[in-house]
Order: sequence, then C-alpha cells, then structure tokens
Amino acid sequence: ETGVTQTPRHLVMGMTNKKSLKCEQHLGHNAMYWYKQSAKKPLELMFVYSLEERVENNSVPSRFSPECPNSSHLFLHLHTLQPEDSALYLCASSQDPGTGPHEQYFGPGTRLTVT
Amino acid sequence: AQSVTQLDSQVPVFEEAPVELRCNYSSSVSVYLFWYVQYPNQGLQLLLKYLSGSTLVKGINGFEAEFNKSQTSFHLRKPSVHISDTAEYFCAVSESGGYQKVTFGTGTKLQVIP
Repeated sequence: ETGVTQTPRHLVMGMTNKKSLKCEQHLGHNAMYWYKQSAKKPLELMFVYSLEERVENNSVPSRFSPECPNSSHLFLHLHTLQPEDSALYLCASSQDPGTGPHEQYFGPGTRLTVT
Repeated sequence: AQSVTQLDSQVPVFEEAPVELRCNYSSSVSVYLFWYVQYPNQGLQLLLKYLSGSTLVKGINGFEAEFNKSQTSFHLRKPSVHISDTAEYFCAVSESGGYQKVTFGTGTKLQVIP
C-alpha cells in the first residue's frame, strides 16, 4: 500500500452504534489530520496530531474520539452519532506543520451515513 | 484569522475552452496559498502552491495560478480544459509563522462539457 489509506470506505450506522474509522499513512509523515466534508460547506478540520500528540481540537463534539497510537495510524471512534454527522470523513498526513507550509496528502475518505 | 472565499460554486465550461476559478483570501499576515483538486470518490490532491518568489505558479495537469497580493487573490487558470478536468477544486490558505494551520474554501465544481 502507498500513500494514505482509509477503511472502511463506506459505513452505515445507527445512532446507538459504536464504530471506528481507520487511517494509515505510508509516507513517513509525522502529522495526521481528520477532516469532515459536508456538501456546500468548507472542509472542517476536526483534529490534528503532530508527533503523536494532539495539537488541535476544533470544538468537536465528544461523540467523536480520536486516537493516534503511532505516527502511521489514526483512528476516529464514533458513538451515539446524530444524522447531521453524516458526511465524508477525510484523513490526511503531512510533515510537522510547526516546521513549515507542508503539503497535505489525503486518503479517499469514509462515506458515513447515520440512520 | 485567515479565511478563503470561492465565490463560484459551479463553473461549466466547454472542452478545450479556457477556464478561471476564482479564489480570494483574507489575512493580516503573509500567507501561503494552495489549490487542491478532488476527483469523484477520491481525496484531495495538491495541484500547486505559492510559498514565495514568482507570483505565477505552475502546477500539474497544465494548471497555473497567479498570486496577487494587492487584490488578495490566487485565481486558478487553464488555457484549454479536458473532460478529465471535471472535478472539485479547493483553494486553501495558511498563515506564515508558527503552526501552519490550513483553511480551505468551499470548493468550485468544474464541469467540462463535451
């Protein structure tokens, strides 16, 4: 595998379910990001991890819980979601954002539908 | 705080015609600017970036953009589009200095008509 991979690509879950999204990067980067992409809205940055420490958390509801066990893996744990959480969730990676304007490399996303 | 405006949500253009996708930004400090492209069912991919130096930046797939500081713009252009250019294009800005947070615009859908 090369680049940034995300699993699953599609997920349908009920509001009482618990599920996790997985992201893996094979680029040797040390920063990883979760974004939410909804129709007609700007890409929303949810979380940033740099060197495995969370450096940004943009007022995301607690029903979203990130986990970064190492610099290559990033998870987004989901529980008791709402229908408005339905969106495309994108993972990205880059070199440390504290060291310059580095390009972000994106995965293909997980299309989440909450019923 | 930085912000990005892409006024055109959709731009239809005939194949082999030129296209310009508009991007304006707002920031109180120096900025870095990016254009990303998203093809259907894929993540975003960097087209080009402006960090410093020449204000005319060339990217992949024949695209180019010009940084205009006085007009706070970074419009994307291509002289002749192909069907394969049909995608959504995102402008993004990052402020210089310190932690490089990137802010994305709402995107412009380019539809190339055969």
